[in-house]
Amino acid sequence: KNEVEQSPQNLTAQEGEFITINCSYSVGISALHWLQQHPGGGIVSLFMLSSGKKKHGRLIATINIQEKHSSLHITASHPRDSAVYICAVHRPGGGADGLTFGKGTHLIIQP
Amino acid sequence: KAGVTQTPRYLIKTRGQQVTLSCSPISGHRSVSWYQQTPGQGLQFLFEYFSETQRNKGNFPGRFSGRQFSNSRSEMNVSTLELGDSALYLCASSRDRGQTYEQYFGPGTRLTVT
Repeated sequence: KNEVEQSPQNLTAQEGEFITINCSYSVGISALHWLQQHPGGGIVSLFMLSSGKKKHGRLIATINIQEKHSSLHITASHPRDSAVYICAVHRPGGGADGLTFGKGTHLIIQP
Repeated sequence: KAGVTQTPRYLIKTRGQQVTLSCSPISGHRSVSWYQQTPGQGLQFLFEYFSETQRNKGNFPGRFSGRQFSNSRSEMNVSTLELGDSALYLCASSRDRGQTYEQYFGPGTRLTVT
């Protein structure tokens, strides 16, 4: 079983819909990252959080440390949100080797 | 501020050859990490460099190596290429080590081994 599980693996929705992507992890963490990867490969870091909730524009990320679960929400989704969203957890101890990645959620927003 | 740059962006090599990929971090960033991304395994950590020293290494064979220069630029090398080394290689820089520092990713180098 992977240490970081994302669901769903694939998601197709209509423009304007509210989107939720889930991430569950089985190890102790010090931080959780949500990343966005567009076709072509470049990765953008959306959020880094260790507790509570963060909001940036139409994106909201929440984390529940006790339940080992995080969600990424997109409000008023738009075709430009189509991308792969990757959850990554940072194990305590520092350093990049602490990053473990989920397999990603492939999101398509249709106009 | 310029982002992380990687060169080359695309590369085609033959089995048995070796390859060197380059990563220039954001100015002022001292930590550079390398990742391999394949359809089957997803993103996997390769190694991290900080202050010209390899700090951590992922579970990859010794054919994968790297180094960091005094200006924080980093290179990774893969020797005796295998078909399974075909992947997107990403580097990321951060201001310092540790989980409190956000990582900024480069565009990646897509390596195809034939």
